[in-house]
Amino acid sequence: GQNIDQPTEMTATEGAIVQINCTYQTSGFNGLFWYQQHAGEAPTFLSYNVLDGLEEKGRFSSFLSRSKGYSYLLLKELQMKDSASYLCAVKNAGNNRKLIWGLGTSLAVNP
Amino acid sequence: DTAVSQTPKYLVTQMGNDKSIKCEQNLGHDTMYWYKQDSKKFLKIMFSYNNKELIINETVPNRFSPKSPDKAHLNLHINSLELGDSAVYFCASSQGDRSWEQYFGPGTRLTVT
Repeated sequence: GQNIDQPTEMTATEGAIVQINCTYQTSGFNGLFWYQQHAGEAPTFLSYNVLDGLEEKGRFSSFLSRSKGYSYLLLKELQMKDSASYLCAVKNAGNNRKLIWGLGTSLAVNP
Repeated sequence: DTAVSQTPKYLVTQMGNDKSIKCEQNLGHDTMYWYKQDSKKFLKIMFSYNNKELIINETVPNRFSPKSPDKAHLNLHINSLELGDSAVYFCASSQGDRSWEQYFGPGTRLTVT
């Protein structure tokens, strides 16, 4: 089967660092992606990992370990505007352009 | 503005009615998608078209029928609406093999009463 697991909710403090984990079991693997979705808005693309290791983009970093079926999204210097849902998605091998989505982690940043 | 747009933004209708949602993208992308996001926030792919050809057709009731008149437009028609169809429907687009980088429209919140 295909499954993506993320924590449902997380809470953190403004200025802190938070790590959102994602584990996956899929038939084939061709990349893992993180999206951010603010309440009432559309998801927006954050990051893409296809090789093992850490990808850094400003305050956000994403890590992938293919052998462990594991990824995390690291958010540094948290700001109130980072309060949102963070969706992990995986692309199967193949050309059908289909992403398998997790349920998302709702992050609340408190002052 | 370059973007993915959807109309209408809100749609309230009664059970049994037929309704359509329209989507347009001016990003020059060749692939478009329809997603359904329910109250539990699960984002489920419904359909995808690449250059007007249907490439993803998930297990969706045949009351839902997509139509892509050209690669910039993807519409969704829903017949005989049911209470369980209430959700937010997102249109998205991507280019070529970069299917991981999907650009989403603002969503259409459908409420069936």
